[in-house]
Amino acid sequence: QVHLQQWGAGLLKPSETLSLTCAVSGGSLSGHYWSWVRQPPGKGLEWIGEINSSGNTDYTPSLKSRLIISVDTSKDEFSLQLRSVTAADTAVYYCARGPGFRGGVVYGMDVWGQGTTVTVSS
Amino acid sequence: IQLTQSPSSLSASVGDRVTMTCRASQDIARYLAWYQQKAGKAPKLLISAASTLESGVPSRFSGSGSGTDFILTISSLQPEDLATYYCQQLKSYPPEFTFGPGTKVEIK
Repeated sequence: QVHLQQWGAGLLKPSETLSLTCAVSGGSLSGHYWSWVRQPPGKGLEWIGEINSSGNTDYTPSLKSRLIISVDTSKDEFSLQLRSVTAADTAVYYCARGPGFRGGVVYGMDVWGQGTTVTVSS
Repeated sequence: IQLTQSPSSLSASVGDRVTMTCRASQDIARYLAWYQQKAGKAPKLLISAASTLESGVPSRFSGSGSGTDFILTISSLQPEDLATYYCQQLKSYPPEFTFGPGTKVEIK
């Protein structure tokens, strides 16, 4: 059974770079897209971006200028870097598997990390 | 592609049939997923492709719809269904897989 374990710094100052990593166990990065999703306190979910094992990425337009998602296939890990953070980037950040194709069906994000709370404050 | 969900919250009794809707700003065919998020937890995928139930999800959950209008139904509400439910569209290209704002389900 695939499991995602994520980690990274939880407290940042404005203008710093947010860095999170998600490790895949019980499976491989290959054959899937891997996403990052965030949730500001008391608010809904926001899809941030995705990457596959070949390093192909897609980013939400509002964050594209500050965002890098990368992959390390040797470690079965993928990472998120968001530079020049502000208080508006305060959120719980989740890594997840998907979206993708399974049995001819486009499926959603079916495996999730535990979430990392990131607070941006001076 | 924007998604709206209604109602924003609902309160129902155990055993009630509960329905909630998700509307897309343009035709997304059946490229829609539903998630359940309990307080303090990561979301859980319930349904893909508008109506395909994920393995292990109780059969009291069902999804329907295509195009712009979608429905999530809980046929007999259980106490453990207390959660917020989100829809997500998976149609847009380049990918920008937006979520709806959520429907919060409370138990009377």
